[in-house]
Amino acid sequence: AQTVTQSQPEMSVQEAETVTLSCTYDTSENNYYLFWYKQPPSRQMILVIRQEAYKQQNATENRFSVNFQKAAKSFSLKISDSQLGDTAMYFCAGGGSYQLTFGKGTKLSVIP
Amino acid sequence: KAGVTQTPRYLIKTRGQQVTLSCSPISGHRSVSWYQQTPGQGLQFLFEYFSETQRNKGNFPGRFSGRQFSNSRSEMNVSTLELGDSALYLCASTEQGTGTDTQYFGPGTRLTVL
Repeated sequence: AQTVTQSQPEMSVQEAETVTLSCTYDTSENNYYLFWYKQPPSRQMILVIRQEAYKQQNATENRFSVNFQKAAKSFSLKISDSQLGDTAMYFCAGGGSYQLTFGKGTKLSVIP
Repeated sequence: KAGVTQTPRYLIKTRGQQVTLSCSPISGHRSVSWYQQTPGQGLQFLFEYFSETQRNKGNFPGRFSGRQFSNSRSEMNVSTLELGDSALYLCASTEQGTGTDTQYFGPGTRLTVL
């Protein structure tokens, strides 16, 4: 079983600035992946980045990177050089046993 | 490759009716999962199918059912609709459906129950 917690319901950031979204998780799985998904107003769920739990190196995807602290069960997302198109709901999710468990989401607004 | 497609995109039904939603996965993907998204409960897992077999089911009443066809296309059915079934229904596909696979989502079907 997995639980995923996002403690920041809403955040805002100035365009071109950096913002970090927090996520904590708990799991009984030994082999699992963690994901950040983005859901813009169009409602299409888009993969932002994923992290293999067995890898110590933090995943990076262009302006998006994660800080994966396995012992602390923490998985935060850093967005650098924020752009207006980054405005969306961001969901942290854990994968295991054929399903994803999602957090409640963080609504991110990028301010011009 | 074409992405995950869902039909219809929007549906309006009345209480007591039933509804069928369809999902076509990415070509080559054999696993399809369904999720319900509501403002109150967030994203909740409904069920997952792989090679026409349901492998996992979430905590939803028996009114929610699904199936998968030999071409991996999947349908979900909700019978005796209730107001609380109003939601965005998302399907996602993966190659094998393991926890380490990335799930790719469709655009969703917005169901409104009046």
